[in-house]
Amino acid sequence: KNQVEQSPQSLIILEGKNCTLQCNYTVSPFSNLRWYKQDTGRGPVSLTIMTFSENTKSNGRYTATLDADTKQSSLHITASQLSDSASYICVPGYIFGTGTRLKVLA
Amino acid sequence: GAVVSQHPSRVICKSGTSVKIECRSLDFQATTMFWYRQFPKKSLMLMATSNEGSKATYEQGVEKDKFLINHASLTLSTLTVTSAHPEDSSFYICSARDYPQGGTDTQYFGPGTRLTVL
Repeated sequence: KNQVEQSPQSLIILEGKNCTLQCNYTVSPFSNLRWYKQDTGRGPVSLTIMTFSENTKSNGRYTATLDADTKQSSLHITASQLSDSASYICVPGYIFGTGTRLKVLA
Repeated sequence: GAVVSQHPSRVICKSGTSVKIECRSLDFQATTMFWYRQFPKKSLMLMATSNEGSKATYEQGVEKDKFLINHASLTLSTLTVTSAHPEDSSFYICSARDYPQGGTDTQYFGPGTRLTVL
């Protein structure tokens, strides 16, 4: 069964700090892996898209990594802002992960 | 970036009635659209894949007679929740696949529709 597990489930950090969110998956095959940000009550917004052969992709303060051998991906957020408070979802192919709820405090 | 709209954004209906939700890709043609359902504090659950001009492909456990999907054009897919019941109350989100020739396979999401069945 295709599964996508994310950790931690929730995370609280102070504004300005960095954090890394993890994604472990068993989904295969897939053409790309995406990370999305979802605000409560809104549709997901794409942060990064990586093809199966890419190891890293950055989008501003967001940097995603992909290790196809270990079937792991991560999303690193630098210099966090209050507006980063949201759920972050890892999506290999079209299977959605469980999400990490991030809360950034002033 | 590409825009996907959903209508309505919120709907409240009585139990037993049917509700139609529209999903439109506004500036690109989408041969494939997806319908998701999301419960509070949970991740999105894929319900079905909608392909223009053909029958939708439903995920295991999703009743196709309950959730009717029509993808009649390259920019419009509709989801009809038939004979809605309170347990159908949820947040429904659609997405449209944009895969231009030589480009990146990208999925754009609509803003979602909050369905409440009384």
